Amino acid sequence: DTEVTQTPKHLVMGMTNKKSLKCEQHMGHRAMYWYKQKAKKPPELMFVYSYEKLSINESVPSRFSPECPNSSLLNLHLHALQPEDSALYLCASSQEKGREGRAGELFFGEGSRLTVL
Amino acid sequence: DAKTTQPNSMESNEEEPVHLPCNHSTISGTDYIHWYRQLPSQGPEYVIHGLTSNVNNRMASLAIAEDRKSSTLILHRATLRDAAVYYCILRAYNQGGKLIFGQGTELSVKP
Repeated sequence: DTEVTQTPKHLVMGMTNKKSLKCEQHMGHRAMYWYKQKAKKPPELMFVYSYEKLSINESVPSRFSPECPNSSLLNLHLHALQPEDSALYLCASSQEKGREGRAGELFFGEGSRLTVL
Repeated sequence: DAKTTQPNSMESNEEEPVHLPCNHSTISGTDYIHWYRQLPSQGPEYVIHGLTSNVNNRMASLAIAEDRKSSTLILHRATLRDAAVYYCILRAYNQGGKLIFGQGTELSVKP
């Protein structure tokens, strides 16, 4: 199983709503990532988790709150978002240390497309 | 983060080889060169990576210049399914998994 599964595929929310994006992998990977991608732009790194602990936060606004409840799951909690937060949110996972002693290749999910009204 | 420069777009004919260039003049000794691609409506997928030597796998070949300031991703026979955005990324050995995407090259393949 080399899949990263993201749910929901599409989400529409108002600026006062609270919602969550979910990501799951069963490859035994101990590093998990959230990226944000606007149309026609490259993915932008948001957060990195390593062994269920937050290791990198790329200065993301606090209205985005990541959570890693166990080694297979990664959530992104959304609250008080703005219309400019509408984007494709991509989850990825990788081995923490590969054969070369560094983090392995990233496996990406298909993303959750978020629209904020 | 060291920067890469790629052409915005390239065109190829089906069943012909494609050479996708990438310049990375500020590469450091601990930077690996990674290539990912993103097909329409999908997440990115890993293609290949290398450090100093040329690399081959089932998807592509990676040719790295002797001074490591540039590299070329080679698709030996382009198919329509290879139409995608190809990203050349430098990933530092000690960066704890950080993978930072540049602008990428949008490859179109004509039948």
